[in-house]
Amino acid sequence: QKEVEQNSGPLSVPEGAIASLNCTYSDRGSQSFFWYRQYSGKSPELIMSIYSNGDKEDGRFTAQLNKASQYVSLLIRDSQPSDSATYLCAALQMDSSYKLIFGSGTRLLVRP
Amino acid sequence: DGGITQSPKYLFRKEGQNVTLSCEQNLNHDAMYWYRQDPGQGLRLIYYSQIVNDFQKGDIAEGYSVSREKKESFPLTVTSAQKNPTAFYLCATGLQGATEAFFGQGTRLTVV
Repeated sequence: QKEVEQNSGPLSVPEGAIASLNCTYSDRGSQSFFWYRQYSGKSPELIMSIYSNGDKEDGRFTAQLNKASQYVSLLIRDSQPSDSATYLCAALQMDSSYKLIFGSGTRLLVRP
Repeated sequence: DGGITQSPKYLFRKEGQNVTLSCEQNLNHDAMYWYRQDPGQGLRLIYYSQIVNDFQKGDIAEGYSVSREKKESFPLTVTSAQKNPTAFYLCATGLQGATEAFFGQGTRLTVV
């Protein structure tokens, strides 16, 4: 069973701090990775995608990918209370199936 | 109005009844997915389809069935064989290949 692993949290950070969310994956064949934000009771919303090693920045968000270590992370700079949500990491399996597999999510709490 | 429409938003059914959840999209996406989410849990893949008239089982397909007769539509039937059907059901769509997926607003099914 190919898996995506995340620490469930909660990760608690003060307002204005950097929140660091981490994810590992087991399928070495995966090439595409995604971060989704899910507010309580709502559906997931795509916030970042990353396909190659290194960093990708979009506003306050930076996604980092290290394929050798099978590790993906999401940094949120200047965290706001509105960032409080569950963050889901997903990996696209690139065998014949193209299945999108999710981790169980990390709950982030940003304290005012 | 473009997007992914899941209906209904809330659904109540008696135990032993089959129920069909609707997912319609006008994004011209080839890939469609059904996920199940239980409270405090991540997303588990039920079924997915990369092309019309073809679909594959995900990790928890038992007790569910789908069809893909049209590109725009991917209905999910929760049968009486599903032991614990109460959950939040999410439909997602994406372009074929290694790209991101986008979610509908979800259907919350409660079986009493």
